Amino acid sequence: AQSVSQHNHHVILSEAASLELGCNYSYGGTVNLFWYVQYPGQHLQLLLKYFSGDPLVKGIKGFEAEFIKSKFSFNLRKPSVQWSDTAEYFCAVNSNFGNEKLTFGTGTRLTIIP
Amino acid sequence: NAGVTQTPKFRVLKTGQSMTLLCAQDMNHEYMYWYRQDPGMGLRLIHYSVGEGTTAKGEVPDGYNVSRLKKQNFLLGLESAAPSQTSVYFCASSSDNRGSYNSPLHFGNGTRLTVT
Repeated sequence: AQSVSQHNHHVILSEAASLELGCNYSYGGTVNLFWYVQYPGQHLQLLLKYFSGDPLVKGIKGFEAEFIKSKFSFNLRKPSVQWSDTAEYFCAVNSNFGNEKLTFGTGTRLTIIP
Repeated sequence: NAGVTQTPKFRVLKTGQSMTLLCAQDMNHEYMYWYRQDPGMGLRLIHYSVGEGTTAKGEVPDGYNVSRLKKQNFLLGLESAAPSQTSVYFCASSSDNRGSYNSPLHFGNGTRLTVT
């Protein structure tokens, strides 16, 4: 069974700081990887996704993530965060073969201090 | 375009009461899902459906039942609510693109359920 680990439960940064949120997964086969964001009081929205090809994926709002297969990781990055990035971030994975169910990590709460 | 709509938005139940949460999507998606979100545990899949008339168990199905009588609707039922079912419930849907099983989920705004 696949699983996703997000080791940072709560991250607090000042505006303009750089961000990196960790995501590791366990699954032996080919996977698809996602980052979802949940702004306060809202539903989850897709931030970016990786299916194949270039392991560096760019998403909305200046976010990017790098798939490192050897490390089973898909860390989320942003060079300079803004107060509006305050949200909860979820990494998710599903297999690339016949498994349509996403497995989510436990989430990382990001608080940006103005 | 409404996307995924969940009703109700909030509900308080007493232990042992029953209720049904309704999820409706207008995107003609084949796949629909019910998740629960709890602090420190992320989203956990309760049940899901890969098409009209089908349902399947997810990660935490106990205490819940579902039905998908119409393609656009996915109902989540609690027959006898328990305090452990206090949570925020999210419905989601995705398309069934045979070229990729990987279409992103479209989420509803959630239902906050409290069981006392």
